[in-house]
Amino acid sequence: DTGVSQDPRHKITKRGQNVTFRCDPISEHNRLYWYRQTLGQGPEFLTYFQNEAQLEKSRLLSDRFSAERPKGSFSTLEIQRTEQGDSAMYLCASTGEGSIQYFGAGTRLSVL
Amino acid sequence: AQTVTQSQPEMSVQEAETVTLSCTYDTSESDYYLFWYKQPPSRQMILVIRQEAYKQQNATENRFSVNFQKAAKSFSLKISDSQLGDAAMYFCAYRGYNFGNEKLTFGTGTRLTIIP
Repeated sequence: DTGVSQDPRHKITKRGQNVTFRCDPISEHNRLYWYRQTLGQGPEFLTYFQNEAQLEKSRLLSDRFSAERPKGSFSTLEIQRTEQGDSAMYLCASTGEGSIQYFGAGTRLSVL
Repeated sequence: AQTVTQSQPEMSVQEAETVTLSCTYDTSESDYYLFWYKQPPSRQMILVIRQEAYKQQNATENRFSVNFQKAAKSFSLKISDSQLGDAAMYFCAYRGYNFGNEKLTFGTGTRLTIIP
């Protein structure tokens, strides 16, 4: 059990560029969640997957955001045409049959 | 929609002393889960303790215990014998019980400082 892995750990980009983040959940965890955390705030839910199916999306997830989980394993979160307001920590979590979500270390995005 | 409120942005405690972090929440559901997560600086969030709402007994994990008051919708965390490694942001979180209602709703956090 290697835990939830996120890549990259840090990403600096210019406004208007596209970025993609990857999350590898704990092996055999069928549910995967994305959250966004801004400075001084608690994480806010973005979306989650049961296997490869995206079951819920937050209103925070604008049309510029898209998430996928092909084959029900790793997941990617893409942000198109980044804006300065997208600067945040993007957290991924996974869970199996229980209620506990296990978090990765996050990807910190800075949009210049 | 559920909300979680942590009214103490910062707390401090002397090493080896006891500290209590407060959390209140609002929900119309009768069954749910409550969690305390710890987020050390620049490190990942880890679970401290979990409480199922249908259990009347307060959860405990070593030096960590909760005071769960369902009627008052209150869920405080007590840390006994505080250690330097306890310094972190602490987040209270709510999760629904049923399938499809699994996202976590977090409070704004409490920054805990341990004074040597």
